[in-house]
Formats: sequence, structure tokens, C-alpha cells
Amino acid sequence: GNSVTQMEGPVTLSEEAFLTINCTYTATGYPSLFWYVQYPGEGLQLLLKATKADDKGSNKGFEATYRKETTSFHLEKGSVQVSDSAVYFCALPHGSGNTGKLIFGQGTTLQVKP
Amino acid sequence: EPEVTQTPSHQVTQMGQEVILRCVPISNHLYFYWYRQILGQKVEFLVSFYNNEISEKSEIFDDQFSVERPDGSNFTLKIRSTKLEDSAMYFCASSARQGRGGELFFGEGSRLTVL
Repeated sequence: GNSVTQMEGPVTLSEEAFLTINCTYTATGYPSLFWYVQYPGEGLQLLLKATKADDKGSNKGFEATYRKETTSFHLEKGSVQVSDSAVYFCALPHGSGNTGKLIFGQGTTLQVKP
Repeated sequence: EPEVTQTPSHQVTQMGQEVILRCVPISNHLYFYWYRQILGQKVEFLVSFYNNEISEKSEIFDDQFSVERPDGSNFTLKIRSTKLEDSAMYFCASSARQGRGGELFFGEGSRLTVL
């Protein structure tokens, strides 16, 4: 089945710093790729997604580009805020069928300090 | 905005007891899921459910686990005889469709502590 590897955290940044959280994957075919976010005390929320190679997903100032040549889907934000402090998960479907069975990375904790 | 709701938010139980975790998926969704996250570990798929039957389950989902959609709105996860290693956060999710780009909407989770 497919797999995903995510950079380990925690990541601690000052407000307005640039953020990159690395995510690489192995997959059969070209599955959709996702970033989920978990704010303190809350559930998992879809942050952004890309459904095919070279797609760029974006939301709330975050971006990630589906790069098949490097099998990567790195999450970036140009200027983080304290409210971005959360755990970020890279995910993709387990197989080629996009059945809703997702494989998650181990999560990267981001802490943004004022 | 519609959301997935889960109850209880936290349950503490003794080993060997039965536990039922409840979920109300988004009303027009057709596909339902349970995932779990043991503290410090990855979020793991447990089971998917469609058209009143299990469509897929992981090796974690053994005979101690069962799911049910008893009344067309609730979606429950039952653990028949809890073990210490069942302590985890359990997430319910639902989706309107499967296939490319189909988005899963997650609840806030139910934290289960088995003593």
C-alpha cells in the first residue's frame, strides 16, 4: 500500500516567520494528497488538498504543490501567526482507489511564538 | 457549517468493560469511518461503512470491535471488552462520496481511557 513520511517536530517559529513542513510519499499511481490540521482540543480538519500532479492546494495562506518527480507535498506558509499553532498531518489514500481509507503521517507540531 | 459530532468527549472505563462511542455524521453523507490515534502515534484507519455494511476494515478491527448505524443518523463504535491498549482518541468521519478528491470530515474525537 501507499505510505507517507513527514518531518518530525516540534517546529517552533516566531510570528511572521516562513514555514515549511516536509512530506514525501510512496504510492501506486497518482492519488490525491491531503494536509489535515488539528488545533488544540479539536478534531482533524482538512486544510488543503491536491488531486493530481502539479496541482497546488491552498487555504488560509498555506500552500502545497503535488510534485510527482520528487514524490513530495511540502506544506508552506509565508508568514505564520500564533493562531497557526497546531498539529499538521500529511495524508493520502491507502490504495489507488481513493476509498476514504487514508494513511496519515505521524504529524508535525507547530508552535508559533509572538 | 455542518459538522460531525461525537459523544462522549472523554470516557474512562475499567478493563473488560464494554464501551460505545457515538457519532452523528453530516446528514447527507453516505460513507462513514472510524479512525483512532494512540497517544504519540499516527492516526490509524479502523473501519469504513457504507450502505449499512462494513466496506473495509483494518487488522486492528478484530472481533472485539463492531459498528452500527442503528437509526439512520447515529453511527456507533462498540468495543466489547476493552483492553488497556484500546486507550486512544477515536475519530469518526464521514464523506459525501469516495473517489478522487473526496473529502473526509472528522469529528472532534472521543478520548477513551482504559484503566
